[in-house]
Amino acid sequence: GDSVTQMEGPVTLSEEAFLTINCTYTATGYPSLFWYVQYPGEGLQLLLKATKADDKGSNKGFEATYRKETTSFHLEKGSVQVSDSAVYFCASKGEGGKLIFGQGTELSVKP
Amino acid sequence: KAGVTQTPRYLIKTRGQQVTLSCSPISGHRSVSWYQQTPGQGLQFLFEYFSETQRNKGNFPGRFSGRQFSNSRSEMNVSTLELGDSALYLCASSPGGTAMNTEAFFGQGTRLTVV
Repeated sequence: GDSVTQMEGPVTLSEEAFLTINCTYTATGYPSLFWYVQYPGEGLQLLLKATKADDKGSNKGFEATYRKETTSFHLEKGSVQVSDSAVYFCASKGEGGKLIFGQGTELSVKP
Repeated sequence: KAGVTQTPRYLIKTRGQQVTLSCSPISGHRSVSWYQQTPGQGLQFLFEYFSETQRNKGNFPGRFSGRQFSNSRSEMNVSTLELGDSALYLCASSPGGTAMNTEAFFGQGTRLTVV
């Protein structure tokens, strides 16, 4: 079945460092791909999405490109802030509409 | 526009009891999905309702059930609670249809603790 794999956490970075969180997917078709963020005690917030190959989603300085050839959707940010500390989830959505999530990657940014 | 509202935010129940969780989707959204989040299993899809009909179902036992009302509000019920049912239950709403590119908007969740 369809699945999403994310890099293991936790990831600890200093403020203004470069962030990459790897995400790969397996799917029978061509799913839409999403990154969600979860702050402590909260639900999930959509960070960005891409719906077809080579699409780049971006929001709040984060970006991710849908790479069909490598089945990847890696999340990047050029300069992280303390306020970016959260858990990040990669997800795919294929036919049928349900979201399939990766295991989540906890990011901690130190001042 | 109000977001997705889940009530209650926190619940403590005893093994063997049953529980009902509620979700009010964003106005105009007709699809409501439920997910279970645990440290061990991560986020797992429970079921989806659209126009009062269950459209999709995950791999959970029959103790987990749900329904959707004509105003799109949804409830989820868990009967004969087990310790392993302790989790954060998240509800997500979306406009509806089966388009893969429609995003889901999540509520803050209901934290269920079974003792």
